[in-house]
Amino acid sequence: QGHLVQSGGEVKEPGASVKISCRPSDDTLRNFGISWVRQAPGQGLEWMGWISVYNGNTKYGQKMQDRVTFTTDTSTRTAYMELRSLRSDDTAVYYCARDRGYTYGVFYNWGQGTLVTVSS
Amino acid sequence: NFRLTQPHSVSESPGKAVTISCTGSGGSIARNYVQWYQQRPGGVPTTVIYEDDQRPSGVPDRFSGSVDSSSNSASLTISGLKTEDEADYYCQSYDIDNGVFGGGTRLSVL
Repeated sequence: QGHLVQSGGEVKEPGASVKISCRPSDDTLRNFGISWVRQAPGQGLEWMGWISVYNGNTKYGQKMQDRVTFTTDTSTRTAYMELRSLRSDDTAVYYCARDRGYTYGVFYNWGQGTLVTVSS
Repeated sequence: NFRLTQPHSVSESPGKAVTISCTGSGGSIARNYVQWYQQRPGGVPTTVIYEDDQRPSGVPDRFSGSVDSSSNSASLTISGLKTEDEADYYCQSYDIDNGVFGGGTRLSVL
C-alpha cells in the first residue's frame, strides 16, 4: 500500500527546466501529501518541499523555493515537481515520498527515484 | 535553524547490536516526530522507523527507535545484525520551516 511510481530519467542542458511526476501505484491512497527529496551523487538526502494531494497546500524548502514549483492533478492523484533554471549542481536523483496530507515531515513510502542529469 | 547530527560511520559484527545516534541542535528533537531511513548501496531509501518508534509492516522487530529529550537525541537500534543491514541510515525530522535530514551514518557489518 502506498507505493509511488515516478517518471523516467531526464537529461537537460543548463538553464532548462525539468518536470517530474509521482503517482500512487494503486487506488488506496486518498488523504496524503508528497514530499520531494533529492540526492546528489555521493551525497546525503535533501528535502525540497511538500505538497498536499488532499488540498493543494504547499511548503517549499528555503534553498530552492525561487526555482521549484509543486503541483497536483487531483483526478489522478499525481504530484509534479518542476525545477527551473537548471545548473550542473542540480544533477541528482529526485525522490518523491508519501507524506501526511495536512502537513509535512513524515515519509512513509518512497518512489523509485528519477535521475536528472544537467549537462551541456 | 534546526539541525540533526549523526556519526559518519559505525561498525559491528553479525549477531551483535548497534545503536546509531542522531543529535538535534537549534531546537528540541522531541517537539516533532523522528524517522529513520535505510539506503543500501545503489538503492532507494526505505523507511525503517516513523513517528519516533513505529515500524512499517515488513520491517523486522530487530529495528527499534527512541527519542530522549534529556539528551536532545534520537536513536536507532538494530539487534541481531545481519550482513544485509549494511547500509546508510538517515535520521529525519522537521521544524516550522523545513524538513531536516541528518548527514547519514554508514553501517558496516563485518
